[in-house]
Amino acid sequence: NAGVTQTPKFRILKIGQSMTLQCAQDMNHNYMYWYRQDPGMGLKLIYYSVGAGITDKGEVPNGYNVSRSTTEDFPLRLELAAPSQTSVYFCASSYPADGRDEQFFGPGTRLTVL
Amino acid sequence: QKEVEQNSGPLSVPEGAIASLNCTYSDRGSQSFFWYRQYSGKSPELIMFIYSNGDKEDGRFTAQLNKASQYVSLLIRDSQPSDSATYLCAATSGGSYIPTFGRGTSLIVHP
Repeated sequence: NAGVTQTPKFRILKIGQSMTLQCAQDMNHNYMYWYRQDPGMGLKLIYYSVGAGITDKGEVPNGYNVSRSTTEDFPLRLELAAPSQTSVYFCASSYPADGRDEQFFGPGTRLTVL
Repeated sequence: QKEVEQNSGPLSVPEGAIASLNCTYSDRGSQSFFWYRQYSGKSPELIMFIYSNGDKEDGRFTAQLNKASQYVSLLIRDSQPSDSATYLCAATSGGSYIPTFGRGTSLIVHP
């Protein structure tokens, strides 16, 4: 199993540009999450999904959009990038029905908006 | 609003000592508690989880939960320089499974 994969690893955007951060998992997990982590800070939840076709906002959703058309994929879309979106983005998945709701994290995408 | 509080540190301990990391949570409905370790530039990885009051031991790690005091801690015995990392505490509420993370405590183990 590859676990949770994310692409790209690094990206520099100009203000106003758009991009999609890709996330995929091969563990058949129903829950998937997007977090951002700023330096010295914890994880802030952007969006989450409890299954294909179902998404919901987290703590900091403004400026982002998500979709979940399959169990495996959960892309995060940034529209009109702003410097405040400079951060490290982590995708995670979990399978609460398994009796353990621990999160499995991808390696992260480091995004800089200039 | 659900909150998980941690002292950001850094907590500095000598090699071989016991490191004690603490976490408090605001939601009395929280049922599952997790400790993740995050090395600089890497993603978090789970090291301990605890659901019931009391202690849970796994190798050099012991998680302690006191639901009455809304307090969870992580003890690392015989600390090693390789334990130097940020430790994130997280809690989930029954039926939600959406975790709330603390800001993390930076641990430095010096030789």
